[in-house]
Amino acid sequence: EAQVTQNPRYLITVTGKKLTVTCSQNMNHEYMSWYRQDPGLGLRQIYYSMNVEVTDKGDVPEGYKVSRKEKRNFPLILESPSPNQTSLYFCASSDSAGLRPYEQYFGPGTRLTVT
Amino acid sequence: AQTVTQSQPEMSVQEAETVTLSCTYDTSENNYYLFWYKQPPSRQMILVIRQEAYKQQNATENRFSVNFQKAAKSFSLKISDSQLGDTAMYFCAFMNFFNTGKLIFGQGTTLQVKP
Repeated sequence: EAQVTQNPRYLITVTGKKLTVTCSQNMNHEYMSWYRQDPGLGLRQIYYSMNVEVTDKGDVPEGYKVSRKEKRNFPLILESPSPNQTSLYFCASSDSAGLRPYEQYFGPGTRLTVT
Repeated sequence: AQTVTQSQPEMSVQEAETVTLSCTYDTSENNYYLFWYKQPPSRQMILVIRQEAYKQQNATENRFSVNFQKAAKSFSLKISDSQLGDTAMYFCAFMNFFNTGKLIFGQGTTLQVKP
């Protein structure tokens, strides 16, 4: 089954404790992205990757890091989380080829709370 | 910078009626993609419909259709014969043809379909 998986689905942590949210896709997609969703603000892109070892900042990259060492994985790293990073996070992947190019396939979301 | 605006935070419609969700965007580009995504209470993000800016014909997917007005930079979504399962948050999104890694979302419209 074609899918994007994220782990963990729920996470409660404390300020300053480094954490990683994993994302993996099994569709061999070129593109992968991270978004955060906040009430009244919609989804905002944090980082995106157009291929292995190619990443770029989205609209809200501060406080986040990413890496793309393998095509299927795109982890999101919060090295020193703060309460303003409490949010719902989505990973997504897409491809330039196929019947529906650039359609984003989303993971199930990770609810992060930083206290 | 491109922006996407959804000016209707909440809407409601009676089952079997028709409803239109508004979206405007701002860009100086001529080639781009526009999308509508649906987020039901399960939080899963689902693509509803897409439109390529170079296509003059409005996209249609079953009960969902768009009214794409390129000069006015408007991209509204029409849902015909509304069903209870259409209850969800709907997001409009913009992608520049020359930067297909970056996706910009609107703030979202919560649609309630009433029986």
